[in-house]
Amino acid sequence: EPEVTQTPSHQVTQMGQEVILRCVPISNHLYFYWYRQILGQKVEFLVSFYNNEISEKSEIFDDQFSVERPDGSNFTLKIRSTKLEDSAMYFCASMGGANEKLFFGSGTQLSVL
Amino acid sequence: QKEVEQDPGPLSVPEGAIVSLNCTYSNSAFQYFMWYRQYSRKGPELLMYTYSSGNKEDGRFTAQVDKSSKYISLFIRDSQPSDSATYLCAMGMDTGRRALTFGSGTRLQVQP
Repeated sequence: EPEVTQTPSHQVTQMGQEVILRCVPISNHLYFYWYRQILGQKVEFLVSFYNNEISEKSEIFDDQFSVERPDGSNFTLKIRSTKLEDSAMYFCASMGGANEKLFFGSGTQLSVL
Repeated sequence: QKEVEQDPGPLSVPEGAIVSLNCTYSNSAFQYFMWYRQYSRKGPELLMYTYSSGNKEDGRFTAQVDKSSKYISLFIRDSQPSDSATYLCAMGMDTGRRALTFGSGTRLQVQP
């Protein structure tokens, strides 16, 4: 079964450093998302991306965050200057079309020290 | 009032029991309802997806939506130890978007 792939599975960084989290959505999917889950808390929506642009973002997704689809297969989340509170599991998700099911990757655990 | 409320549990049941998991919501704009299963340190795995009131069945799982009461349920029949996980309800407002709002999750433990 096709799946969303995320790398790395665990990323450790120093506060203030830039990180890039990588995702390979399911082939032929058109809608891409990032969610995050702070330990013990809810899964929270960050941003959605369609047709090479952001279609929606939450208040969490401030100027420190950016997303990019640099080629036909990868989808990245960049955090420019990480803060301690950015420590969380970050999930990438993709969907084939409107009204279809949303599939999640296994996540990247980001630890900011 | 939180947009989506879900009892965090933990819920412990014996193997073979029928499990009932529930969420309530306050925003009548939610039109799409999903149940995800999440194992520890893993991504949510879609179990059920529905966009209308009523019941939807898939194997041992039945999803129930009551939009008038703003209440959704997931029933698991003949529960197995492998069903032990956290179950997340999620809901969305718009056909073309998946800015889902999740419940906090209910931790289920099925005892062999």
